[in-house]
Amino acid sequence: AQSVTQPDIHITVSEGASLELRCNYSYGATPYLFWYVQSPGQGLQLLLKYFSGDTLVQGIKGFEAEFKRSQSSFNLRKPSVHWSDAAEYFCAVVLSSGSARQLTFGSGTQLTVLP
Amino acid sequence: DVKVTQSSRYLVKRTGEKVFLECVQDMDHENMFWYRQDPGLGLRLIYFSYDVKMKEKGDIPEGYSVSREKKERFSLILESASTNQTSMYLCASSRPRRVEKLFFGSGTQLSVL
Repeated sequence: AQSVTQPDIHITVSEGASLELRCNYSYGATPYLFWYVQSPGQGLQLLLKYFSGDTLVQGIKGFEAEFKRSQSSFNLRKPSVHWSDAAEYFCAVVLSSGSARQLTFGSGTQLTVLP
Repeated sequence: DVKVTQSSRYLVKRTGEKVFLECVQDMDHENMFWYRQDPGLGLRLIYFSYDVKMKEKGDIPEGYSVSREKKERFSLILESASTNQTSMYLCASSRPRRVEKLFFGSGTQLSVL
């Protein structure tokens, strides 16, 4: 069965420190991959996506993610975290032939940023 | 600016009540979705609509129904609310096969007492 795993429920980092959020997937074929962010009281906003091509993708707010086929991973990174990055982050996956109906979300990682 | 609007930010209801959650989008999108968000479980799809009066069950449809009489409006109905339906409910919309253009509302936090 298709699945998406975010191993870290909660991560705490200091402002200015680097960040990496993990995402692993289990699919039979190369999927489309997404990272969303949910700020308090808000809906989900798309940070970045990977469909094909360059495995390092850039997103909004200074985030990037790297697709590693051999590890079935799509980890989110940011070199220097800002206090406004405190939010919940969701990885999501869909087969390349699929539609939004088939989008599968991970369980989320809550990010706390210390001053 | 594109917008998906959920009518209530917070709702408190009693067990057994009939509950309506409303969602309106202004982007003329064909697809609309209702998700449920619970801690540690991420987002789970309740129902999906791909056109007016058309609907499809998602992964957790039990205890819910939906209505889509107009293209811009998608309603989630809890026929008889139960405490295990206390959750955050998120509405979203997109064009067909444009999964990267999925827009979310800000959510309705429903508490069933």
